[in-house]
Amino acid sequence: EAGVAQSPRYKIIEKRQSVAFWCNPISGHATLYWYQQILGQGPKLLIQFQNNGVVDDSQLPKDRFSAERLKGVDSTLKIQPAKLEDSAVYLCASSLVLYTDTQYFGPGTRLTVL
Amino acid sequence: EDKVVQSPLSLVVHEGDTVTLNCSYEVTNFRSLLWYKQEKKAPTFLFMLTSSGIEKKSGRLSSILDKKELSSILNITATQTGDSAIYLCAVEEVYKLSFGAGTTVTVRA
Repeated sequence: EAGVAQSPRYKIIEKRQSVAFWCNPISGHATLYWYQQILGQGPKLLIQFQNNGVVDDSQLPKDRFSAERLKGVDSTLKIQPAKLEDSAVYLCASSLVLYTDTQYFGPGTRLTVL
Repeated sequence: EDKVVQSPLSLVVHEGDTVTLNCSYEVTNFRSLLWYKQEKKAPTFLFMLTSSGIEKKSGRLSSILDKKELSSILNITATQTGDSAIYLCAVEEVYKLSFGAGTTVTVRA
């Protein structure tokens, strides 16, 4: 069974530039999550999708972050414009169902904003 | 407003030692507590605990939940260098998983 795929693995940009990350969840997983993990901290949930609908985006900085999952499968997370404090690893995870189910994480994208 | 607090933040042990990691939480609608191991980038699932007092085991790792004390411990016995990682505790509420900052375990040969 293929795992959660993410790309790119690394990205370095200047502040005020834009960046996009892509995630393809495990086949058949209805729920998809984007997390931000700043060095030395645990992952923080940014947004959660159930199929192509948003379940929770309360911690997504909507003035600069956006995410979509148009066909209920893969997803993109965008930052525009980036700030220095956005430097982090962005993790995508998926699970079969919404409630009480194991989340499987992708390898993450390490973003450095200079 | 930390909901999930892990301790210690880091520890260094020698191969063969036993380690105990702690996780305490304060959430409104508790559903489950999960432990993950994070090496390099992607956290990998270890345990999910929903019932108090029932120990879950997998090889040298075990974990138990105490709902009365709002806490959980993760034990690793006979540690090996491959156990070196960040161990994350997460608490599930309705629709949401909140992570602690993790405990960094370093096992020296």
